[in-house]
Amino acid sequence: EDQVTQSPEALRLQEGESSSLNCSYTVSGLRGLFWYRQDPGKGPEFLFTLYSAGEEKEKERLKATLTKKESFLHITAPKPEDSATYLCAVKETSGSRLTFGEGTQLTVNP
Amino acid sequence: ETGVTQSPTHLIKTRGQQVTLRCSSQSGHNTVSWYQQALGQGPQFIFQYYREEENGRGNFPPRFSGLQFPNYSSELNVNALELDDSALYLCASSLVSSLVYGYTFGSGTRLTVV
Repeated sequence: EDQVTQSPEALRLQEGESSSLNCSYTVSGLRGLFWYRQDPGKGPEFLFTLYSAGEEKEKERLKATLTKKESFLHITAPKPEDSATYLCAVKETSGSRLTFGEGTQLTVNP
Repeated sequence: ETGVTQSPTHLIKTRGQQVTLRCSSQSGHNTVSWYQQALGQGPQFIFQYYREEENGRGNFPPRFSGLQFPNYSSELNVNALELDDSALYLCASSLVSSLVYGYTFGSGTRLTVV
């Protein structure tokens, strides 16, 4: 069964203090690994899809990387508006579901 | 035109009642999935519909059922509501053939069972 574990559960940063979020996964065959941002009371907002080990994607202050066992979401010089819960999910080659982790709640203080 | 729309946004039901949640998928998307998200947890897969047929189901009992219509909109029905059914219900649409843009989620329906 697919498993996704995210760490840390919560992270508090000062504005400008760079850090990384971790997503460890177990899947029989990876079709794609997804990162989402979720604000309170809203649905997840798509950030990236990664398909194979070694792949990297960037968007503004965010950079996602992928290995065979984990993915990192690097946040460079974060701003208060980056505060949200960041969710990682995997989709295997067969099947239709996304399996999500529990998320990392990020707070960026000004 | 763009995005996934869910209705209602909030709902309060009594234990034992039945509820129907609705979802309009993003334009051009042919697949709809439903997820349940309890407070402080990640979304859990309920089921997916493609071409009006159920195309995968998670570990949810048969009292959770759904429909997809020819215009790709969808309904989630839950019978015999239990207190543990209280959660945010998310609808997500996608193109079955492409994951480049991931799944597009709606803002969800917050269901409270009392």
